[in-house]
Amino acid sequence: GQNIDQPTEMTATEGAIVQINCTYQTSGFNGLFWYQQHAGEAPTFLSYNVLDGLEEKGRFSSFLSRSKGYSYLLLKELQMKDSASYLCAVRDSIGGGNKLTFGTGTQLKVEL
Amino acid sequence: ETGVTQSPTHLIKTRGQQVTLRCSSQSGHNTVSWYQQALGQGPQFIFQYYREEENGRGNFPPRFSGLQFPNYSSELNVNALELDDSALYLCASSFGRLGANEAFFGQGTRLTVV
Repeated sequence: GQNIDQPTEMTATEGAIVQINCTYQTSGFNGLFWYQQHAGEAPTFLSYNVLDGLEEKGRFSSFLSRSKGYSYLLLKELQMKDSASYLCAVRDSIGGGNKLTFGTGTQLKVEL
Repeated sequence: ETGVTQSPTHLIKTRGQQVTLRCSSQSGHNTVSWYQQALGQGPQFIFQYYREEENGRGNFPPRFSGLQFPNYSSELNVNALELDDSALYLCASSFGRLGANEAFFGQGTRLTVV
């Protein structure tokens, strides 16, 4: 089976940097995804890591360490609109398909 | 806008009824996955369809079934609705049987079972 852990809530200040951690236990690892989800809306794709290291995309960066079962999402220059839930998801290819197993999400609140 | 559209947006059903939810995938995508998201939780994988065949299933009972059509649009059917089926149902489209680097979600269907 799969197990994904991420903090339930985080609070940060506008303009600051925040790091959201995710640890996972899985078999047949085939990539880790980060999604942003505003209340009542669909998840929006942010990043994808399949190899160890850092992927940077504008204000967002994601890091993966497969040996440690660990990832983080780094958000820079925080804006109020970044207040949302951030979902870590792991893909495995066992049993076929493109199954994503999601964590429960980290609710980020950006304050003035 | 992801190009993935779901209908209806909201739906209220009575316990024991049946429901059909629809999803049109993004142009060029041949894989559709369905997820159930309860309030305050992450999405849970229901199943995936690739080129009209089921290609992976999560831990959901057989009363959850689906179809994919030649144009790669998809339906999720739920029979004998239970109160716990109340959730946001999301479909995601991508390209390829083993997955792509991105999966795009539709806006979801909010199902309420009373």
